[in-house]
Amino acid sequence: AQSVTQPDIHITVSEGASLELRCNYSYGATPYLFWYVQSPGQGLQLLLKYFSGDTLVQGIKGFEAEFKRSQSSFNLRKPSVHWSDAAEYFCAVITGANNLFFGTGTRLTVIP
Amino acid sequence: DGGITQSPKYLFRKEGQNVTLSCEQNLNHDAMYWYRQDPGQGLRLIYYSQIVNDFQKGDIAEGYSVSREKKESFPLTVTSAQKNPTAFYLCASSSQRQETQYFGPGTRLLVL
Repeated sequence: AQSVTQPDIHITVSEGASLELRCNYSYGATPYLFWYVQSPGQGLQLLLKYFSGDTLVQGIKGFEAEFKRSQSSFNLRKPSVHWSDAAEYFCAVITGANNLFFGTGTRLTVIP
Repeated sequence: DGGITQSPKYLFRKEGQNVTLSCEQNLNHDAMYWYRQDPGQGLRLIYYSQIVNDFQKGDIAEGYSVSREKKESFPLTVTSAQKNPTAFYLCASSSQRQETQYFGPGTRLLVL
């Protein structure tokens, strides 16, 4: 069965520190992978996506993610976190049935 | 500006009442989706539609109904059969099923 795992429910970082949010997927073929961000009470905004090609993907707001097939991972990174990055982050994968399957999310807290 | 609108932002349902959530998009997308979001569970697919006058059940369709009479509109009805309707409901659209999904701002449904 296809699945997406985000092992960290909650992460706290200091403003200006680097960030890495983990995402692992379980899917036989090459997946289409996404990272979305959600502020409280809001919809989801697409940060970046990977369909094929270069495994290091650049997104909006200074985020990037790297697809590693050998580790079935698609971790999200940012070199220097800003207070406005505090939100919930969702990793998602399009499965063979063309459904978008979401992880349970990682809540990011940024401390001054 | 192109985008997805959802209304109302908050909706209250009484026992035994059916309520309808609105979703409109002006992105000229063929596919539209409804998701339910509960704390700690990520997003779960309720229904999706790939084309006008056609829709398919997602993972948690029981107690919900939809229609797709126009390309730009995909309303969701939460029926009295849905015993636990309190959640945040998100509508999304994409050009095709396997393409990137874009989300509306959401509707929070509460039970009185």
